[in-house]
Amino acid sequence: EDQVTQSPEALRLQEGESSSLNCSYTVSGLRGLFWYRQDPGKGPEFLFTLYSAGEEKEKERLKATLTKKESFLHITAPKPEDSATYLCAVHGSSNTGKLIFGQGTTLQVKP
Amino acid sequence: DSGVTQTPKHLITATGQRVTLRCSPRSGDLSVYWYQQSLDQGLQFLIQYYNGEERAKGNILERFSAQQFPDLHSELNLSSLELGDSALYFCASSVGLAGAPSSYNEQFFGPGTRLTVL
Repeated sequence: EDQVTQSPEALRLQEGESSSLNCSYTVSGLRGLFWYRQDPGKGPEFLFTLYSAGEEKEKERLKATLTKKESFLHITAPKPEDSATYLCAVHGSSNTGKLIFGQGTTLQVKP
Repeated sequence: DSGVTQTPKHLITATGQRVTLRCSPRSGDLSVYWYQQSLDQGLQFLIQYYNGEERAKGNILERFSAQQFPDLHSELNLSSLELGDSALYFCASSVGLAGAPSSYNEQFFGPGTRLTVL
C-alpha cells in the first residue's frame, strides 16, 4: 500500500537554529516526491519536486534531498516567517494524478 | 498566488443540504483535482478530471459528485450533507494528465473553500 510518513509531527526552533524534516515513503515506481508549505487556513504552496535518488533542490533557506526511501527538507538558519506546516506527497502507484500526502510537520520558529 | 481560484471562501449550511464548490484552474492547465482536508484525516484525494473527462477517483463518497466543463472550470457537488463533511476543500490543477515524471504534473493548489455543516 502506498504510504507517506512525516516526522516529527511538530518542531520548535529558535531563529537561526538549523534542522531537518523527514518524509518516508512507500510507493511502487516513484513518479515524483513533492514538498508543499501550508499556512493555517490557506492552500498548500508548491515548493519542490524531486524525481530520483540523489537529486537536490534549493530555495532560499530550504533544501530538499531524496533517497530511495525518504526525503529530507533541510532548513538553514530559519526565520519566524518560515513557521508553517510542511507537507510531503508522492504520486500513487496507480499511474494517475492522485497525490498521497503525509500528515505534515508543523514548524514554529521563535525569534 | 497560485493562479487557481476557488469560490466561495466560506460556506455554512445545515445537515441534509446540498452545496456546490467552484474551481477555476491556472491558465493552460488541463487537469483539475479535488482534495478534502480535515483535522483527523489530513489531505485526501477525491477525484481528478482531465480536459473534461474523469480520470481517477479516490475516497469520494457517493453523495459527492464533480464535473469539469468545456471552459475547464470544475464544480464539486456535495449533497445530503452530514456534520462530518465539515472540512477544507481544495482544488488543484496541473498541465498534464500525470503519468511519466514531469514538471507538467506538478499540482498547484487554490485557497480552498471552508465548509461548515451545522
